Order: sequence, then structure tokens, then C-alpha cells
Amino acid sequence: NAGVTQTPKFRILKIGQSMTLQCAQDMNHNYMYWYRQDPGMGLKLIYYSVGAGITDKGEVPNGYNVSRSTTEDFPLRLELAAPSQTSVYFCASSPDSLLEKLFFGSGTQLSVL
Amino acid sequence: QKEVEQDPGPLSVPEGAIVSLNCTYSNSAFQYFMWYRQYSRKGPELLMYTYSSGNKEDGRFTAQVDKSSKYISLFIRDSQPSDSATYLCAIPDWANNLFFGTGTRLTVIP
Repeated sequence: NAGVTQTPKFRILKIGQSMTLQCAQDMNHNYMYWYRQDPGMGLKLIYYSVGAGITDKGEVPNGYNVSRSTTEDFPLRLELAAPSQTSVYFCASSPDSLLEKLFFGSGTQLSVL
Repeated sequence: QKEVEQDPGPLSVPEGAIVSLNCTYSNSAFQYFMWYRQYSRKGPELLMYTYSSGNKEDGRFTAQVDKSSKYISLFIRDSQPSDSATYLCAIPDWANNLFFGTGTRLTVIP
């Protein structure tokens, strides 16, 4: 089982560029999440989805967009990248309840210069 | 006030030591308490979760909750170099928002 797969692992963007962070899971989980992790700040929820076609904002959604056209995929789109978006991004998935085990991908380290 | 606060460390201990990792939380309504372990350049993985107060033991790891003080702890007995990682506490609220602590980086020296 691959679990949660994120691509790319590393990326450097220039200010104003756009990109999509890819996330795929093969566990048939309904819930998927995007977090960002900044040094000394903990993990913050950007967006989440409870199933295909359903997405909702988390704590820090500004500057990001998501879509969920299939159960497996949950891409995160950055429009007009800013230095404040320099972070490590983690995708995660879980079965129906967050109280079940939350599976994380290995992360994408993004630098915006 | 943050929902969850965690001692930032870093913490460095010799192999075989007992390690204590701690978090405090603000909302007395919280019921579930989780500990995640995160190795360098990897995503967090769930280590343990407990419900309400008391202790839960899993091998060398013990999770403890004191609801009267709003204080949770993770103890690691006989610590090993392979335990070197960042440990994050996490607490879900009633709406399934998951609040993470900032993490404590632990190094176990052989």
C-alpha cells in the first residue's frame, strides 16, 4: 500500500508564480486534508474535504484553492505565490471520523523567493 | 489563548532515560487526546490516543491525561536512539477540528 502520496517533494517558486501540489491516497478514505507546518507554529489546516465534490475552508485558506473530483485525489493550488507561503505542506486522509487514524503524506517543502 | 500549548524543547537525553513530554490545553470540553511522532522530513504518524482522564500504556509509551489541570503528558521509558523525533500533541474539538501543539524535538543520545 502506498498510503498518501505527495508530489513534488521540493519546489522553489518565484513570487507571483502559481503551482499545484498533488496528493493521492489509495485507502478509499472519504476525508482528506491539507496542512501547512511552519517552524515553531505547529500544523495549521488549510482546506479539507469530506468526499468527492465537497470541500471546505480550514484555519488558513487565504491564497489557496482546492478541488476534489475523485475520492483518491485532492490537489492544492497556489495562485500568485508569496513569501508567506514558504512552508512544508502535508496532505492527510482518514476514514469517516477524524478520531480514527489520520494518515499523512511525506510532505512538500515549498520555498517562495 | 491557544487551544493547545506544548513545551518546545528541544530535549536531549541519554539512551535509557525516561522522557516526559507535555502539553496544556484551554478547553475543558476536550475529550480525546492524541500524540503524533514525526521523524525528520516525514509526515506525522499517530502514536497513541486516549479518551478522557487517566493513563494508557503501549509498550514503552504511556499517555497521561489530567483533565482537572488540563494537562497531558507522554512518557517514554528506556528511551532509544530510534525515538529521536519531534512529538506533537493533538486535540480534536466537537466539530472535528484538530488542534496541534507546536511539537517537541527529542534527541536520544547513544
